[in-house]
Amino acid sequence: DAGITQSPRYKITETGRQVTLMCHQTWSHSYMFWYRQDLGHGLRLIYYSAAADITDKGEVPDGYVVSRSKTENFPLTLESATRSQTSVYFCASSERGVSYEQYFGPGTRLTVT
Amino acid sequence: QQQVKQSPQSLIVQKGGISIINCAYENTAFDYFPWYQQFPGKGPALLIAIRPDVSEKKEGRFTISFNKSAKQFSLHIMDSQPGDSATYFCAAINGKDSSYKLIFGSGTRLLVRP
Repeated sequence: DAGITQSPRYKITETGRQVTLMCHQTWSHSYMFWYRQDLGHGLRLIYYSAAADITDKGEVPDGYVVSRSKTENFPLTLESATRSQTSVYFCASSERGVSYEQYFGPGTRLTVT
Repeated sequence: QQQVKQSPQSLIVQKGGISIINCAYENTAFDYFPWYQQFPGKGPALLIAIRPDVSEKKEGRFTISFNKSAKQFSLHIMDSQPGDSATYFCAAINGKDSSYKLIFGSGTRLLVRP
């Protein structure tokens, strides 16, 4: 599939479990981003990556880990899920020099019980 | 200084009316101001964007008005339609920042009544 995809689309997990959300893009964009969306808070940046093997913290990184060994993939791991991490997670990508536009995936709805 | 403040949180407009959403920023290094539209169950998508060297940009029924001195910009939706019902986010970016991060407003949920 062309574009940016996220998996799973829906996930229910228990407190304390490790969860990995996947993000894959087919454009070879340099930049990739992870956001969480909660009512009243809009889109908050968790982590971003400027290229393979280059990642950095965003606004709300605590409790999350990312890696980027390949340009097209940017997985987000919740090491020990907490109820406060119940949210909708969006992955996005963009390419410097073309435009500032970020292309968003369809999102993953995560519920931590 | 990195914040973008958006208002109102929610907006109800009758079909055919004008929807207006406002945003304000502090960081004068921002050099690109996009608006994103998000339908329920979908990811946000770029709707329209403006650079600070112009005061207005129009694309169909959607217009961005930009006031550089006041550090404010707004989205106007003319002849609003039920299909415009969505959440709208304003954003800003400093293109010289190596992080390439968009700073988003908190969003406005628009409902257009038939």
